[in-house]
Amino acid sequence: SYELTQPPSVSVSPGQTASITCSGDKLGDKYACWYQQKPGQSPVLVIYQDSKRPSGIPERFSGSNSGNTATLTISGTQAMDEADYYCQAWDSSLVVFGGGTKLTIL
Amino acid sequence: QVQLVQSGAEVKKPGASVKVSCKASGYTFTSYDINWVRQATGQGLEWMGWMNPNNDNTGYAQKFQGRVTMTRNTSISTAYMELSSLRSEDTAVYYCARAWNWRFDPWGQGTLVTVSS
Repeated sequence: SYELTQPPSVSVSPGQTASITCSGDKLGDKYACWYQQKPGQSPVLVIYQDSKRPSGIPERFSGSNSGNTATLTISGTQAMDEADYYCQAWDSSLVVFGGGTKLTIL
Repeated sequence: QVQLVQSGAEVKKPGASVKVSCKASGYTFTSYDINWVRQATGQGLEWMGWMNPNNDNTGYAQKFQGRVTMTRNTSISTAYMELSSLRSEDTAVYYCARAWNWRFDPWGQGTLVTVSS
């Protein structure tokens, strides 16, 4: 079965750039998206189709996807960005999530 | 605005079944698939399957085949997820989400299902 691998945790200082990776076999051939989830809340879409931002998502969120790795980049991180982040992709008609990455703002 | 509102928390005994509802508003219910995802406490997101409200087609993750049933009532724009033969490991928050253009957006608020004797 298809798997997506994320680092369990990433730490960054306020104002710095955070990069969260998601790895899977030939992931670049599929569309990847990213969700932000804060404690006690439902996931919120922050990036879809590799690099597109839904309306209402700040410009500091960006994404890329090539080869075997998709990357979520948060520029100028703020305290409010501290959350769990999950990547997602489709493998045929099945949906796969990465294990999630806890982003800590130091 | 587009919204998915789920039913309230449930407590079930091992071996029982649970049926969670997901009421859609703000868009044409039959135009988009509904997917179900669950999350155990402190764990990641786990995809369970999808349902096409227009034709009632479904697709389930292999892990849940034989135990999950996804249905809908188009007259009230509501999707349902029923999970049977519950065990303690099924204790989790269950989410519905609208799927379109390779993304899930929006998500419901989640329904906590607790399985305990």
